[in-house]
Amino acid sequence: QQQVKQSPQSLIVQKGGISIINCAYENTAFDYFPWYQQFPGKGPALLIAIRPDVSEKKEGRFTISFNKSAKQFSLHIMDSQPGDSATYFCAATLFYSGAGSYQLTFGKGTKLSVIP
Amino acid sequence: SQTIHQWPATLVQPVGSPLSLECTVEGTSNPNLYWYRQAAGRGLQLLFYSVGIGQISSEVPQNLSASRPQDRQFILSSKKLLLSDSGFYLCAWDRGFSNSPLHFGNGTRLTVT
Repeated sequence: QQQVKQSPQSLIVQKGGISIINCAYENTAFDYFPWYQQFPGKGPALLIAIRPDVSEKKEGRFTISFNKSAKQFSLHIMDSQPGDSATYFCAATLFYSGAGSYQLTFGKGTKLSVIP
Repeated sequence: SQTIHQWPATLVQPVGSPLSLECTVEGTSNPNLYWYRQAAGRGLQLLFYSVGIGQISSEVPQNLSASRPQDRQFILSSKKLLLSDSGFYLCAWDRGFSNSPLHFGNGTRLTVT
């Protein structure tokens, strides 16, 4: 119930195309849904995030779509560029009473390759 | 501004040798601190987290341990490395709130030979 399932595991997109990565969750107590971007040899960095009371959030070419009833959310990268080639992780936050703190649960990641 | 320092960037160690990786955070106080491991081409595995000095929670049983001797210092250790300990180790911090971003260091690439 604590899992976030992410698909696909890898994705190849032509330059200028749309990249779509999907995530699904079961635990309705998750209350914040960020996406992280990781370039090779670097740590992940926050890309964009959404709250479950919002159905869509857009920042530049990156858009999160959120479907609360289906317990699914997705990342869309419009006009994909070779510089977008990276691993993308979806995540969800949950309050852990034992720790007295919110913590992230990550999906397993999607390796995106944008080819010229 | 807050920064996170993690070192060394790369490390090659023989099987059975000890390990000590250090992580420090600057520009904030009382952060939550985390150690993650990432195998090649794989996801992020949470190893340890800490919500305060001396408070360590382990997510995965293994031959690794963590310590938090100071508020903004987090150390990952092993007494005897195994081949399976090879991987990319990432330190991270956040404020522990729902919408608090998790900030990662640049990682340590550990190869156990």
